[in-house]
Amino acid sequence: EAGVVQSPRYKIIEKKQPVAFWCNPISGHNTLYWYRQNLGQGPELLIRYENEEAVDDSQLPKDRFSAERLKGVDSTLKIQPAELGDSAVYLCASSLDGRDTYTDTQYFGPGTRLTVL
Amino acid sequence: GQNIDQPTEMTATEGAIVQINCTYQTSGFNGLFWYQQHAGEAPTFLSYNVLDGLEEKGRFSSFLSRSKGYSYLLLKELQMKDSASYLCAVRDSNYQLIWGAGTKLIIKP
Repeated sequence: EAGVVQSPRYKIIEKKQPVAFWCNPISGHNTLYWYRQNLGQGPELLIRYENEEAVDDSQLPKDRFSAERLKGVDSTLKIQPAELGDSAVYLCASSLDGRDTYTDTQYFGPGTRLTVL
Repeated sequence: GQNIDQPTEMTATEGAIVQINCTYQTSGFNGLFWYQQHAGEAPTFLSYNVLDGLEEKGRFSSFLSRSKGYSYLLLKELQMKDSASYLCAVRDSNYQLIWGAGTKLIIKP
């Protein structure tokens, strides 16, 4: 079974440019997460989807970040315009059902390493 | 506020045993996870504890004490490939994972 797929793996852009990341979760997983991880730190949740609905986006910097999950499968995270401080690894994860299952486990994609110059 | 504490770095010898501790203060508790993350790769799931006690899975074991807000990950018969960061995460009352910064484990021959 295929795992979580993300693209691109690496992205280098200049500040003020837009950038987009794509994620395809594990088949059948209803819950999708976008995280940001800085070097030497744990992942920081940006947004969580349950099917098409964003149920937790309190940590998403809405002035420049946006996300969508059309049809409740693939998801895209966008930054416009990017700032130097956005350099990080952006991780996508999915789980069967993030709300009701005690043992629900998140599985991560390989991440996109973003460098903003 | 919510907080997860783990040592920043540990060093151990190949073939030995190492224990990585994690203490937490969170709004509610719905389970504790341990993930392994090799440099430049995504976190991979290792273990889950929701009840007090020890969960054993091969060379890896994880322990939980909810009353003390404490967990540890025990790695036995260390191999060079175990060199990685180990992340502790607690699921809070909103079913959100609160992550520690990770413990970088260095294995020496």
